[in-house]
Amino acid sequence: EAQVTQNPRYLITVTGKKLTVTCSQNMNHEYMSWYRQDPGLGLRQIYYSMNVEVTDKGDVPEGYKVSRKEKRNFPLILESPSPNQTSLYFCASSTTSGGATDTQYFGPGTRLTVL
Amino acid sequence: AQSVAQPEDQVNVAEGNPLTVKCTYSVSGNPYLFWYVQYPNRGLQFLLKYITGDNLVKGSYGFEAEFNKSQTSFHLKKPSALVSDSALYFCAVRDMRRAGKSTFGDGTTLTVKP
Repeated sequence: EAQVTQNPRYLITVTGKKLTVTCSQNMNHEYMSWYRQDPGLGLRQIYYSMNVEVTDKGDVPEGYKVSRKEKRNFPLILESPSPNQTSLYFCASSTTSGGATDTQYFGPGTRLTVL
Repeated sequence: AQSVAQPEDQVNVAEGNPLTVKCTYSVSGNPYLFWYVQYPNRGLQFLLKYITGDNLVKGSYGFEAEFNKSQTSFHLKKPSALVSDSALYFCAVRDMRRAGKSTFGDGTTLTVKP
């Protein structure tokens, strides 16, 4: 089954404790992206990657890191989490054959709470 | 900079009535517009998109959307709402000049009452 998977689905942590949220897709998509969803703010793009070793900032990259060493994986790293990073996080992927016209496929989400 | 506005946080309709969820956008180049739906405790699912051509786009589950360039709008519509259409709807825009950048609206909660 074609899908985007995220782990963990739920995470409660404390301020300053480094964490990684993994994202993997099995559709051989070039493009991957991370979003955070907050009430009243919709989805905001954190980082995206057009292909392996190619990443770029979205609208809210502060406090986050990403890497794209393999095509299928795009982990989101919080080096020193803070309470304002408490949010619902989504990973998405798509092809790039159509450029900006391609539809994104979303993972199930990761609910992160930073105490 | 590109932006999307969904002016209504909440839309309530009765089952069987037509529904409209509004979206306006701002982008420098040609817009590529998308609608996604999010059911409770789920990720976003694609509904439909406008790339070029016919201004009326048909998508999944009987939804359609009308692209209006002069009003910079891309409203989502359905002729007859179902209770199962109740969900959170997001409009999104991408710009051909910066293909990786994707901007979503704040979302509109649609509630369809029996």
